[in-house]
Amino acid sequence: DQQVKQNSPSLSVQEGRISILNCDYTNSMFDYFLWYKKYPAEGPTFLISISSIKDKNEDGRFTVFLNKSAKHLSLHIVPSQPGDSAVYFCAASVVDSSYKLIFGSGTRLLVRP
Amino acid sequence: GAGVSQSPSNKVTEKGKDVELRCDPISGHTALYWYRQSLGQGLEFLIYFQGNSAPDKSGLPSDRFSAERTGGSVSTLTIQRTQQEDSAVYLCASSLMLAGGGETQYFGPGTRLLVL
Repeated sequence: DQQVKQNSPSLSVQEGRISILNCDYTNSMFDYFLWYKKYPAEGPTFLISISSIKDKNEDGRFTVFLNKSAKHLSLHIVPSQPGDSAVYFCAASVVDSSYKLIFGSGTRLLVRP
Repeated sequence: GAGVSQSPSNKVTEKGKDVELRCDPISGHTALYWYRQSLGQGLEFLIYFQGNSAPDKSGLPSDRFSAERTGGSVSTLTIQRTQQEDSAVYLCASSLMLAGGGETQYFGPGTRLLVL
C-alpha cells in the first residue's frame, strides 16, 4: 500500500521552461512534506519542505504547493536548468514521529538544453 | 564538516553469505536512519536510532536484518544469509533532533549491494 505516490516516472522539459513534479498521498495524518533530489551514485539531498499549516513555500527557483483537501503536492522549478536533471523524490511524515519519512518512487526529470 | 559517509560503496556477495554495511553520520547528529532503495522503487525505511532510546526496527523486512549503533555514532547494518531480493542500494541518513520535529535528514551516498 503506497502512501506516497509519484505517478509520473519521468518528465522532460526544455531549458528555461517550468518543471512541475507531482505527488499524491493517502494518509491524512501526514503533516510535513519534503522534496529530495538525487543524482546518480549520490545520496538524496534535501531541496525544500512544507508544513501542513502552509499551502506554499518558495526558495529561489523552487516552489512547493500543498493542497490538503486533494492530498496533493507539487514542486515547481522555474526556470528549469540542465543541472536540475535528476530524480526527484517526494516524502511525507507525521511530525510527532518525524523520523520516519515515507518516500514516493521518484520522478526522473530531464531538462533539455 | 564531512557529510554522511558509507562503506563499502559497492558490495557483491554470494547468496547465503552475511554482509555488513557501515555508516558514519555527521558529527553531532543524534538521529541515524537506514533506508533501502530497490530498483525502480522509492526509499524504504528500515530502522531508526535516536540517542540512547530503543531503536525503531519496524521497517526491517525480516529477522535476517539487524543494525547496531555503537557509542551513539557509527552504525552497522548486518544482513545474514543474503538473498537475491536483498539486492538494493542501502542508504544511511542522519539528522539533528530538535523539538517540534521536521528535521532535515542528510543522506550518505549509499552502498550498492548485489547478491548473486
